[in-house]
Amino acid sequence: GQQVMQIPQYQHVQEGEDFTTYCNSSTTLSNIQWYKQRPGGHPVFLIQLVKSGEVKKQKRLTFQFGEAKKNSSLHITATQTTDVGTYFCAGPGNTGFQKLVFGTGTRLLVSP
Amino acid sequence: EAQVTQNPRYLITVTGKKLTVTCSQNMNHEYMSWYRQDPGLGLRQIYYSMNVEVTDKGDVPEGYKVSRKEKRNFPLILESPSPNQTSLYFCASSLGFSGETQYFGPGTRLLVL
Repeated sequence: GQQVMQIPQYQHVQEGEDFTTYCNSSTTLSNIQWYKQRPGGHPVFLIQLVKSGEVKKQKRLTFQFGEAKKNSSLHITATQTTDVGTYFCAGPGNTGFQKLVFGTGTRLLVSP
Repeated sequence: EAQVTQNPRYLITVTGKKLTVTCSQNMNHEYMSWYRQDPGLGLRQIYYSMNVEVTDKGDVPEGYKVSRKEKRNFPLILESPSPNQTSLYFCASSLGFSGETQYFGPGTRLLVL
């Protein structure tokens, strides 16, 4: 079945360091969404990318959608302790757009 | 306030005792779904519903049932819970189909003994 993997599974950085998580799908995605889940919280939508090669920025966060629409990345510049949480990518299922398949997630810990 | 609510938030039960987790949204969303979250596995979709009386299986539907009799409610039913259903469950809704922004409920932590 369709798989969406994220690497790394976990990363611990010092405040001020950069962070990147990568999302790789076994199939082409029509679009990709990114979510953030704070510890003890629920996933919260960050952004959606639709076009091949698309790049979007939200303050210190930069999101990219690969040219082949099978991979994506989230880069955080100069991390802050408020960036702590788990970041998930998600895309429509390949057997029908009504399913949504989430990546395995990357847990980010930021030390002050 | 636009939101997705779930009840209960925490539940400890025993194997075989039927339970229902309720989910309700006040945003008039068409699409609703249930996910379970387990360490290292991310969020896996259990069931989804595209509209009233229209439901379909996600990736891990075994052992679960759902119903969508009203647009705002989408309960998750475990007819005979087993320990492998111990997990964190999230309900989510979106305006249209899965490709749109999902709004998640606060989660229900379930422990099956």
